[in-house]
Amino acid sequence: AQKVTQAQTEISVVEKEDVTLDCVYETRDTTYYLFWYKQPPSGELVFLIRRNSFDEQNEISGRYSWNFQKSTSSFNFTITASQVVDSAVYFCALSGRSQGAQKLVFGQGTRLTINP
Amino acid sequence: DTGVSQNPRHKITKRGQNVTFRCDPISEHNRLYWYRQTLGQGPEFLTYFQNEAQLEKSRLLSDRFSAERPKGSFSTLEIQRTEQGDSAMYLCASSFPATSAETQYFGPGTRLLVL
Repeated sequence: AQKVTQAQTEISVVEKEDVTLDCVYETRDTTYYLFWYKQPPSGELVFLIRRNSFDEQNEISGRYSWNFQKSTSSFNFTITASQVVDSAVYFCALSGRSQGAQKLVFGQGTRLTINP
Repeated sequence: DTGVSQNPRHKITKRGQNVTFRCDPISEHNRLYWYRQTLGQGPEFLTYFQNEAQLEKSRLLSDRFSAERPKGSFSTLEIQRTEQGDSAMYLCASSFPATSAETQYFGPGTRLLVL
């Protein structure tokens, strides 16, 4: 069975602080994909990043960075110098080859609030 | 705007009524997914189409739910005899595996409230 756990339900920080959102996953697939999505108050899920299971290189995109570690089944997301516009609910998701349809299994989300 | 679109954005209905939602995927995306998201939870998979064929349905999709994608383009999700437990956000996503490597792009969702 596929499972994604985001243990942090809510995080609140002051603007310009760095913040890390944790994601731990479970899968028996050897080939799988990991994703992060952002959901602002408007409700639309915005795609941020996709990682496949064979690529453990960390990635940086502006203030965003992602740390993928297969040894600990984790795919953590860090926002550096946070801004108020980063306030949203962030979801980690997993899809695997055994699922056929590549349907996404989501974590429960982390609500991030950046205070001015 | 060439993203995924959904209509209506909001729907309020009385228990027992039927409702239908529409999803228009990104052009040329041959895969289309429906998810349901309840308050405080992550989205949960409902069903999936490849072109016009419905290839998988979740156990969450009771007999009161039906989805179609008649021409392999837009899709509709119908809920018959709505119940208060159907109140949720219904999200549609599309993907084109050959170019986007299974990345699903989501629409803005339809928020359903059953009174």
